[in-house]
Amino acid sequence: AQSVTQLGSHVSVSEGALVLLRCNYSSSVPPYLFWYVQYPNQGLQLLLKYTTGATLVKGINGFEAEFKKSETSFHLTKPSAHMSDAAEYFCAGNTDKLIFGTGTRLQVFP
Amino acid sequence: NAGVTQTPKFQVLKTGQSMTLQCAQDMNHEYMSWYRQDPGMGLRLIHYSVGAGITDQGEVPNGYNVSRSTTEDFPLRLLSAAPSQTSVYFCASRSGTGRSEAFFGQGTRLTVV
Repeated sequence: AQSVTQLGSHVSVSEGALVLLRCNYSSSVPPYLFWYVQYPNQGLQLLLKYTTGATLVKGINGFEAEFKKSETSFHLTKPSAHMSDAAEYFCAGNTDKLIFGTGTRLQVFP
Repeated sequence: NAGVTQTPKFQVLKTGQSMTLQCAQDMNHEYMSWYRQDPGMGLRLIHYSVGAGITDQGEVPNGYNVSRSTTEDFPLRLLSAAPSQTSVYFCASRSGTGRSEAFFGQGTRLTVV
């Protein structure tokens, strides 16, 4: 069965520091992979997605993620955190159904 | 440019009451789905539909019914509300291919007392 695991329910960084949010998938067939962001009291919006081709995917707001099949991972990174990045981030995978991880709440301190 | 529209935004129900959460999309997407979001549990799939007249169960279908009579609408029915159904509900739609991104509504915050 397909599953998506996010390591760390909370991540705190200082403004300007590297952001690293971890995601691993479990599937007999590598799924299509997505990162979504949710700001308070809002729905989810797409940050980036991996389907096929280049394994380093760039998204909005300076985020990027690298698909590593050998590690079954799709970690999200941003070189320099901004206060406006504070939100909840969800990794998701899609084979026949879109399945989400449990989310990581990112806090950014000045 | 409406996208995915959910109504209502907030609702308080008494235990045992029934209600329907509405979801409509104007993007002609084949695939629609309902999720519930609970703290620490992410989004869990309740029901989904791959087209008009076709629905299937997700991870947590018990206590919920759906139907898909048109491409645009995908209502979620709670037949007899329970406190365990207190949650935030999201409707999403996407085109038929798995590589397509899902578009989400703004959510319905439901409290069952």
